[in-house]
Amino acid sequence: NAGVTQTPKFQVLKTGQSMTLQCAQDMNHNSMYWYRQDPGMGLRLIYYSASEGTTDKGEVPNGYNVSRLNKREFSLRLESAAPSQTSVYFCASSEWVFASGGNTEAFFGQGTRLTVV
Amino acid sequence: KNQVEQSPQSLIILEGKNCTLQCNYTVSPFSNLRWYKQDTGRGPVSLTIMTFSENTKSNGRYTATLDADTKQSSLHITASQLSDSASYICVVPLDTGGGNKLTFGTGTQLKVEL
Repeated sequence: NAGVTQTPKFQVLKTGQSMTLQCAQDMNHNSMYWYRQDPGMGLRLIYYSASEGTTDKGEVPNGYNVSRLNKREFSLRLESAAPSQTSVYFCASSEWVFASGGNTEAFFGQGTRLTVV
Repeated sequence: KNQVEQSPQSLIILEGKNCTLQCNYTVSPFSNLRWYKQDTGRGPVSLTIMTFSENTKSNGRYTATLDADTKQSSLHITASQLSDSASYICVVPLDTGGGNKLTFGTGTQLKVEL
């Protein structure tokens, strides 16, 4: 059972370079998410996709774009990387979005450690 | 402001000892609270989900408690093992009326030593 798979696991970029982080889930989940994790801070939501064909901004969307390629795949793109985007990025998925009263479980990938120099 | 605060920030205990981690939240409206374990270099993994009607929930050596009146939760680890060394994160979903958001605490970094 692969669960949520992210690629790459590590990446070093130069300021201004672009790259795409890939995420795929094999649990037939409808909703997918991208978070970033920085030291001393809780995970913060960048973008999410409630269902195939939809995407919405989270708390910290600036500098990022996403594509929900199909039900399985949700990619995160950095168009022009900046040092402030140095972080660990996590993709997650859940059967449905987290609605009030629901116990939808979230499953996380292993993370992509990105350094922008 | 909807927040989740955890204490202590870090904790070192000897193998075999018990410990309790705390979580205070101000997220409203409240539906459930989750505890995740995050090993170094890995993604968070769910330990338990507690709804407002549940006071206690166990998962092996992990027992979570919830007091919805005081908006506090605790995670008690019994007979700690070296493999318990990890960050424990308290998470509360925030219903934004159409959007969705998990409010994450900053975690308690637990180290279990011989």
